[in-house]
Amino acid sequence: AQKITQTQPGMFVQEKEAVTLDCTYDTSDPSYGLFWYKQPSSGEMIFLIYQGSYDQQNATEGRYSLNFQKARKSANLVISASQLGDSAMYFCAMRGRIQGAQKLVFGQGTRLTINP
Amino acid sequence: DAGVTQSPTHLIKTRGQQVTLRCSPKSGHDTVSWYQQALGQGPQFIFQYYEEEERQRGNFPDRFSGHQFPNYSSELNVNALLLGDSALYLCASSFRQYNEQFFGPGTRLTVL
Repeated sequence: AQKITQTQPGMFVQEKEAVTLDCTYDTSDPSYGLFWYKQPSSGEMIFLIYQGSYDQQNATEGRYSLNFQKARKSANLVISASQLGDSAMYFCAMRGRIQGAQKLVFGQGTRLTINP
Repeated sequence: DAGVTQSPTHLIKTRGQQVTLRCSPKSGHDTVSWYQQALGQGPQFIFQYYEEEERQRGNFPDRFSGHQFPNYSSELNVNALLLGDSALYLCASSFRQYNEQFFGPGTRLTVL
């Protein structure tokens, strides 16, 4: 079975500061993908960044980077220079390549609030 | 380029009723997955449709059923609604079954 754990229910950060959102995972699948999504109050899940389990380098997309530590089974999201528009729910998710490859398994989410 | 669309936006039903939710995938996509997101929780996978067949199913009862049409759009049907079915229902589309999933805005279902 696959499991995602996000231990921070809420985070409060000052605008322009960097923020790290924690994510740990568990899977028996030897190959898998890790995803981060942003969910504003409107409800739509917005894809932010992806990391494959065999990727040699940590993924980066603009202000988002993924701190992937395979041995520790962690995939933390780092947002640099936070903006007021970053306030939202953030979900970490994974998908196996073999078992249940079609579905995303999500964590409980972290509510990020950026203060001016 | 239209993204994933869902209808209706909001829906209110009473216990025991049946509901149908609709999803149109992003242009070029042929696979639709459905997720249920209860308040304060992460989304839970319901099932996925590809080539008009259910390909994988999550831990949901048979009251949850679906369909995919030749134009790749999809419906989610829920029978005998329970209070616990109140949630945001998200549709995600992808090209083939294993590629990146793009989500729609969701349908918020309230069961009274």
